[in-house]
Amino acid sequence: AQSVTQPDIHITVSEGASLELRCNYSYGATPYLFWYVQSPGQGLQLLLKYFSGDTLVQGIKGFEAEFKRSQSSFNLRKPSVHWSDAAEYFCAVGRTDKLIFGTGTRLQVFP
Amino acid sequence: DTGVSQNPRHKITKRGQNVTFRCDPISEHNRLYWYRQTLGQGPEFLTYFQNEAQLEKSRLLSDRFSAERPKGSFSTLEIQRTEQGDSAMYLCASSLMSQGQRRNEQFFGPGTRLTVL
Repeated sequence: AQSVTQPDIHITVSEGASLELRCNYSYGATPYLFWYVQSPGQGLQLLLKYFSGDTLVQGIKGFEAEFKRSQSSFNLRKPSVHWSDAAEYFCAVGRTDKLIFGTGTRLQVFP
Repeated sequence: DTGVSQNPRHKITKRGQNVTFRCDPISEHNRLYWYRQTLGQGPEFLTYFQNEAQLEKSRLLSDRFSAERPKGSFSTLEIQRTEQGDSAMYLCASSLMSQGQRRNEQFFGPGTRLTVL
């Protein structure tokens, strides 16, 4: 079955601290992987994507993610979190049609 | 702005009423997707179109739901005889898929929040 697991429902960090959000997937073929961010009451904004090639991908707002095939993981990282990063983060997997999303991780940032 | 737009942004209706939402994709995009997101969950796929053709429907899409994309541009999603369980955020996304472009990067609209009383 195709699925995405985001084990952390809620993460709290201090501003300036580093961040890692976990994502594990189950997918039959080599997947395309995505991270989206959603502010309250808003749609989803694409942070970064992995299609092929270099397993470390850079995205917007200083985020990066690393694809690890052996661990079926695509964890999102940021070296120094800003208060404006507080939001809900969704990992998604797909190929040429629909995306399958995880349940999300809510990030709270303390000053 | 050339992003995906959705209207209305909010809809409150009474149980049993019909509602219709509209999605306008990015103009050159040939694929259009509908997802539903309930509180505390990630988006769940409902259906998608390539141009006018509806290529896949989820089992989540009951007989009360119907989607159209008559001219391959905007799309509508109609829910008949709404139920309280239909309360959710309905998200639309679009992408460009072609022979030379198989990387399905989907861009989302702001969503329509439906509340069924």
